Amino acid sequence: QVQLVQSGAEVKNPGASVKVSCKASGYTFTSYYMHWVRQAPGQGLEYMGVINPNGRYSSSTQKFRGRVALTTDTSTSTIYMELSSLTSEDTAVYYCAREPPNSFRFDSWGQGTLVTVSS
Amino acid sequence: QSALTQPASVSGSPGQSITISCTGTSSDVGNHNRVSWYEQHPGKVPKLIIYEGTKRPPGVSNRFSGSMSGNTASLTISGLQADDEADYYCCRYASNYVFGSGTKVTVL
Repeated sequence: QVQLVQSGAEVKNPGASVKVSCKASGYTFTSYYMHWVRQAPGQGLEYMGVINPNGRYSSSTQKFRGRVALTTDTSTSTIYMELSSLTSEDTAVYYCAREPPNSFRFDSWGQGTLVTVSS
Repeated sequence: QSALTQPASVSGSPGQSITISCTGTSSDVGNHNRVSWYEQHPGKVPKLIIYEGTKRPPGVSNRFSGSMSGNTASLTISGLQADDEADYYCCRYASNYVFGSGTKVTVL
């Protein structure tokens, strides 16, 4: 069955960077775009960006452009989201989510990774 | 990014039907096949319940239905059950993805 397993919780100081991983299994890794969505405590879902797991395409929203790096490792079926220059406003649960080809929906989600930014 | 407006909360008694609206612009929600809905129980992962505006994934109860009218997408939950208490988010794609503000459903 499809599984997206994310890395564990992180605590970071302001100004630092964090790298969250999402390991996929149970399907053909390169056939599905992968997205990142975050959720601050008590808040709604916020879309961050997308990567083609073959590594040929990635994009992030204007809000995160220049501060987020989306990468992939096809040898381990893992995608990564690195967010830099962290502030307290980046404290959130970060989710990876899978999109079936050209379907405009997220049919499977990782379990989420809590990133806490605090001095 | 244009915002998608949802009511902050909707409530209903067991067995009743409720409807959650998601209002955008003609350039986003008006593109029906790019609207999806997600259910999120407290502390849990979001779950896809409606895609392409009106379709249900396998395994999702037929008590959930989606509809579209102009710039508004709607999610109806019929035969409300205690387990339907959750947050519900619409989402649209129009050059980028945007989630609605979310609606908390309370079963009275």
